[in-house]
Amino acid sequence: EAGVVQSPRYKIIEKKQPVAFWCNPISGHNTLYWYLQNLGQGPELLIRYENEEAVDDSQLPKDRFSAERLKGVDSTLKIQPAELGDSAVYLCASSSGQGYSYNEQFFGPGTRLTVL
Amino acid sequence: GQSLEQPSEVTAVEGAIVQINCTYQTSGFYGLSWYQQHDGGAPTFLSYNGLDGLEETGRFSSFLSRSDSYGYLLLQELQMKDSASYFCAVRDRHNQGGKLIFGQGTELSVKP
Repeated sequence: EAGVVQSPRYKIIEKKQPVAFWCNPISGHNTLYWYLQNLGQGPELLIRYENEEAVDDSQLPKDRFSAERLKGVDSTLKIQPAELGDSAVYLCASSSGQGYSYNEQFFGPGTRLTVL
Repeated sequence: GQSLEQPSEVTAVEGAIVQINCTYQTSGFYGLSWYQQHDGGAPTFLSYNGLDGLEETGRFSSFLSRSDSYGYLLLQELQMKDSASYFCAVRDRHNQGGKLIFGQGTELSVKP
């Protein structure tokens, strides 16, 4: 079974440029998460989708970040414009449970973003 | 608000046993998970405790005491490949229980 796929794996951009990350979750997983992980820290949730619906985007900086999951499968996270402080690893995860029906989260390898 | 505390670093020798503690504060606790992350890799799920007590999975065990807001991960028969970061994560009751809040992580170094 294929795992969570993310691309690109690495991205280097200059500040004020836009950037987009793509995630394809494990087949059949209806819940998708985007996390941000700074060096030496734990992942921090940016947004959680259940199917097409963003059920928790309270941590997403909406002035510059946006996300979509149009058909309830793959998802895109965008930053426009990027700032120096956005340099981090962006992780995508998926799970087969919804809400209180817990199932473990499976993480992708992440996209390492460097903003110069 | 929510907060988790775990040691930043732990060192142990191959074949030994190590315990990584995690204390938490949350307004809506639902369960405690543990994840392992090797350098440059993806976090991978190790264990979940929804109820008090010990959960055992091979060389790894995890314990939870909800009354003490405390849990730990126990790694036995340590191997070099166990060198990684270990995160405890609280499952929060808000947002239909779907939110995981991660600790800062404990970097485990296993020495020969």
